[in-house]
Parts: sequence; structure tokens; C-alpha cells
Amino acid sequence: GIQVEQSPPDLILQEGANSTLRCNFSDSVNNLQWFHQNPWGQLINLFYIPSGTKQNGRLSATTVATERYSLLYISSSQTTDSGVYFCAVEPSYNTDKLIFGTGTRLQVFP
Amino acid sequence: EAEVAQSPRYKITEKSQAVAFWCDPISGHATLYWYRQILGQGPELLVQFQDESVVDDSQLPKDRFSAERLKGVDSTLKIQPAELGDSAMYLCASSFNAFGLGALERYTYEQYFGPGTRLTVT
Repeated sequence: GIQVEQSPPDLILQEGANSTLRCNFSDSVNNLQWFHQNPWGQLINLFYIPSGTKQNGRLSATTVATERYSLLYISSSQTTDSGVYFCAVEPSYNTDKLIFGTGTRLQVFP
Repeated sequence: EAEVAQSPRYKITEKSQAVAFWCDPISGHATLYWYRQILGQGPELLVQFQDESVVDDSQLPKDRFSAERLKGVDSTLKIQPAELGDSAMYLCASSFNAFGLGALERYTYEQYFGPGTRLTVT
């Protein structure tokens, strides 16, 4: 099956810093989603981005489907950005299913 | 804003007991998913419903787990008997997936998750 790898696995930042999270996938995909899992376990939708670039406030994401990767940019990080960031892909061979990556744990300190 | 509802939020049970989780998807979402998330890992699909029908339960441990969505709206996931290894977060998600004529065309949309039920088996 498809492999979804995220890097880095852990990231520690001071408030105000910028960061880039990466998601690599091993096969073609129909869709890709980025989620933020807060400390209470809630998965919050960040982006639905099968290709191209999207921006939402301090966050932006880019997916290059032909090269099988996606990037999540966080600018001017805040303590509330702390948590685990997951990318999840819908493989072309198995639509409707989301396969989650390994996650990046982000800690932002004041 | 419409949300996926789940209850209970937390459940502690002894092994060999039965436990049930409830999920109410976003109104109008025909597709409902149950995921299990073990600490430190990403969620993994247990079962997928399209309306009241099971589409995929290949990863559901059917000897002890069961799921139903009788009226095609809300859903219940049951574990009986619970084992220590079942301790995890159980997440429900829904999406508006549209199907064309004869299900030959399928349009998928993003999945939205509920707050989850954190299960501890002692």
C-alpha cells in the first residue's frame, strides 16, 4: 500500500518563528488533507489540497502531486499552534479512503 | 458551523466488558467513517459506511467489534468484550461523497472529524 512519511517528526520553536513541514507519499493520490490535532485529540481541518497552493492566514500549503509531496508552512508561530500535524492522502487506487502520515509534533514556546 | 458529534468523550472500562460509542455526522453527509488512533500514531480506518451500507470493514476485528448505521444517519461502534489493547482514541468522520450514474463516477470531498472518544481499558 501507499506509504506516507512526514518530516521532521518533532519540531520545537519559539513563538514568532516560521516552519515548514513536509509530507512525502509513495504513489499517486486523488486528494490530500492537512490536519492539526490539538492536545485534546480533536483533528482540525487545515487544508484540502490535491494540488497547487492555498493560504489561510498564517498557514499555507503547497502540493506537487507529480513529485509526490506536500508542504505546510506556518509563519509567526503561536503557542496555540502546538500539537501534531498530520497529512492524509486518498490513494488513486483506493478512493474514499484516507491514509494518514506519521505526523509532526510541534511545540511552540513563548 | 456544522460539526460531527461523538459521545462519550471519555470512557474507562474493565477488560471483558462491553462498550459502545456513538457518532452523529454532519447533516447531509452520506459517508461515515470510524477510525482508531493508537497513542503516537495516525488514525487508521476501521469501517466505512455509505448511507446505511458498509462499504469497507476489512480492518474491523469482527470477532469483537461491530458497527451499525441503521437509518443511514447516526452510527454506533461496539466492542464486546473489550481487551487491554483496545485502549485508544476512536474517531468518527463524515464526508459528502457524491456518486454518479451506476456508481461509475465518484466525487470525493474532504473528511471532517468529531472530537473522538478516548477509551481506557483496565
